[in-house]
Amino acid sequence: QKEVEQNSGPLSVPEGAIASLNCTYSDRGSQSFFWYRQYSGKSPELIMSIYSNGDKEDGRFTAQLNKASQYVSLLIRDSQPSDSATYLCAVSRGSTLGRLYFGRGTQLTVWP
Amino acid sequence: GAVVSQHPSWVICKSGTSVKIECRSLDFQATTMFWYRQFPKQSLMLMATSNEGSKATYEQGVEKDKFLINHASLTLSTLTVTSAHPEDSSFYICSAGDASLGNQPQHFGDGTRLSIL
Repeated sequence: QKEVEQNSGPLSVPEGAIASLNCTYSDRGSQSFFWYRQYSGKSPELIMSIYSNGDKEDGRFTAQLNKASQYVSLLIRDSQPSDSATYLCAVSRGSTLGRLYFGRGTQLTVWP
Repeated sequence: GAVVSQHPSWVICKSGTSVKIECRSLDFQATTMFWYRQFPKQSLMLMATSNEGSKATYEQGVEKDKFLINHASLTLSTLTVTSAHPEDSSFYICSAGDASLGNQPQHFGDGTRLSIL
């Protein structure tokens, strides 16, 4: 079982819709959770971090964490074509070094 | 916000050349930096953990004599690809987190696209 798994996609939604991206992780000791966005040919960009159970909202983005189910998700409301990218779920197991374990990413396309 | 600067952004060189890539944390100190490699349409692959003032920790299958890492200060790590060959052509990316914040979250440099002819 991989450390971090994401729905493989690709995911395609119309402009204005809600895009839902899901991620599960295997290590119950994981403490910190991140969503990165990576445009084609570019490096990953941090868009959300979440550390405790529940929802965290930042503009059009909402991250949801359920440690009991070992599940983290990202919702993108009012999706825009500029949101089209690969979204990477990353998990930190609590190491003080900050090492991250990444999922393979979900490619999202928002069509106008 | 935290900024990680990576240089150069693009390198094209002949086979056998050694290439050095720099990763700098501009507004924070980083005791640990991470080096990744990414091939087209593939996920990030962690190559090594760079530790300030000590030896880097390499992932299984990564040749430490091929990919030399130096982390001589709290704001700079370098990756040197020695005697590069076409199969080393890839997108190399570093990340760093603020040590005073527990090294989280990790922020990425813009990456270095390496092309070996």
